[in-house]
Amino acid sequence: RKEVEQDPGPFNVPEGATVAFNCTYSNSASQSFFWYRQDCRKEPKLLMSVYSSGNEDGRFTAQLNRASQYISLLIRDSKLSDSATYLCAVNGAGNQGGKLIFGQGTELSVKP
Amino acid sequence: GAVVSQHPSRVICKSGTSVKIECRSLDFQATTMFWYRQFPKKSLMLMATSNEGSKATYEQGVEKDKFLINHASLTLSTLTVTSAHPEDSSFYICSASGALGAETYNEQFFGPGTRLTVL
Repeated sequence: RKEVEQDPGPFNVPEGATVAFNCTYSNSASQSFFWYRQDCRKEPKLLMSVYSSGNEDGRFTAQLNRASQYISLLIRDSKLSDSATYLCAVNGAGNQGGKLIFGQGTELSVKP
Repeated sequence: GAVVSQHPSRVICKSGTSVKIECRSLDFQATTMFWYRQFPKKSLMLMATSNEGSKATYEQGVEKDKFLINHASLTLSTLTVTSAHPEDSSFYICSASGALGAETYNEQFFGPGTRLTVL
């Protein structure tokens, strides 16, 4: 089993749709969780950190479920500009706490 | 926010040559820098973790003699791809983390990446 796994893509949705991504992680000792956005041929950019209580930033909502070991990202009212690859990242635990382990990414394509 | 630069952004070289990539944290001191490579439509694969003043820690399967990492200061790390071959062609991305405050603990700030093509 991979340490961090994401929904397979691509997700093709119309503008205005709500789309949700899930990401599961295997190490129960992980403490930090993130969602990154990566545009084609660019570096990843931090979209949101994921807190235990969940957090919202405009149209984006991130949640953490420790019991089931997954994080989610919800995008409401999708825009064309949301088209990108979304990567979840989980920190390593213990003496690997500084490392981030990335999922394989989920490609989102928002169509007019 | 924290800014990380990477140079060069793109390099094309002949097989057998060595290529050095620089990663700089511009407005903070990076205690740790990470080097990743990414193949098309694949995720980031961590190659090594670099702490200032000490030897890099390489991930399993990454040849340390092939990918030389130096982290001489709190703002600069370099990755040298020695005797590059076409299979080394990839997108190399560095990231940096440092003590910017509790809210950024474990957060990594990425450089813009270096696209290496080996002919």
